[in-house]
Amino acid sequence: AQSVTQLGSHVSVSEGALVLLRCNYSSSVPPYLFWYVQYPNQGLQLLLKYTSAATLVKGINGFEAEFKKSETSFHLTKPSAHMSDAAEYFCAVSGNSGNTPLVFGKGTRLSVIA
Amino acid sequence: KAGVTQTPRYLIKTRGQQVTLSCSPISGHRSVSWYQQTPGQGLQFLFEYFSETQRNKGNFPGRFSGRQFSNSRSEMNVSTLELGDSALYLCASSLGAGTHNEQFFGPGTRLTVL
Repeated sequence: AQSVTQLGSHVSVSEGALVLLRCNYSSSVPPYLFWYVQYPNQGLQLLLKYTSAATLVKGINGFEAEFKKSETSFHLTKPSAHMSDAAEYFCAVSGNSGNTPLVFGKGTRLSVIA
Repeated sequence: KAGVTQTPRYLIKTRGQQVTLSCSPISGHRSVSWYQQTPGQGLQFLFEYFSETQRNKGNFPGRFSGRQFSNSRSEMNVSTLELGDSALYLCASSLGAGTHNEQFFGPGTRLTVL
C-alpha cells in the first residue's frame, strides 16, 4: 500500500525566496512519484514525475524535486518564488506496475508575499 | 489539441437524488480516472477505466459507479446522494493504462448536495 505525507498545509514565502515543499512517501513497491499543482477553480497540472531514471527531476516553471530513497522523501524546490507560483501543490505516489491507484497527499497551499 | 472536458461544471442536487457526470478525454487517450476532492479528505481515487473496462476501484460505496464508452468518453453516477457527497469531482485521462502514466486533468464538476 502507498501513502503520502505532506508536511505543512500552508507555506508562505517572499517573492524571490526559495520554495521548499516537503513530501514523504511510503510504498511497498518501487514508486512513481509526482508533484501536481492546482490553481483556483482549475484541475491539476503535472509539474514533474520521478520514474527511477534520475534522482533529480526537473519540471516545468523552474521546479525540481529530488528522490531520496533512504529518507523516503521527494521534496519540491524552486530557487526563486514568483507571485504566479501561489497555488495548491500535491505530492502523489503510484506503484510502477500500473496496477495500484494514484494516492495523493493532503496538499500544501503556497502563498507568495510581495 | 483540446484538453479534458467535464460537464456540467456546477451541479446542485438534493439528498436522495442521483447524478451523472460526464468526462471527455483528450483525443487518443484511452484511460480515464475519476477522483473526488473534498477539504476534509483531500483527493481520493474513485476508479479507472481503460478500453471500456474498469481496471481499479477506490474505497467508495457501491452508490458510486462509472462506465466508459467505445469513444473513451466516461460517465460516473452517484445514486442516493448524501450531504457528504458534496465535492469537486475530477476526471483525468492518459494514453496508457495505469495511473502511473502522466494524467491530464479536467477542470472538474463541483457538486453541491443540499
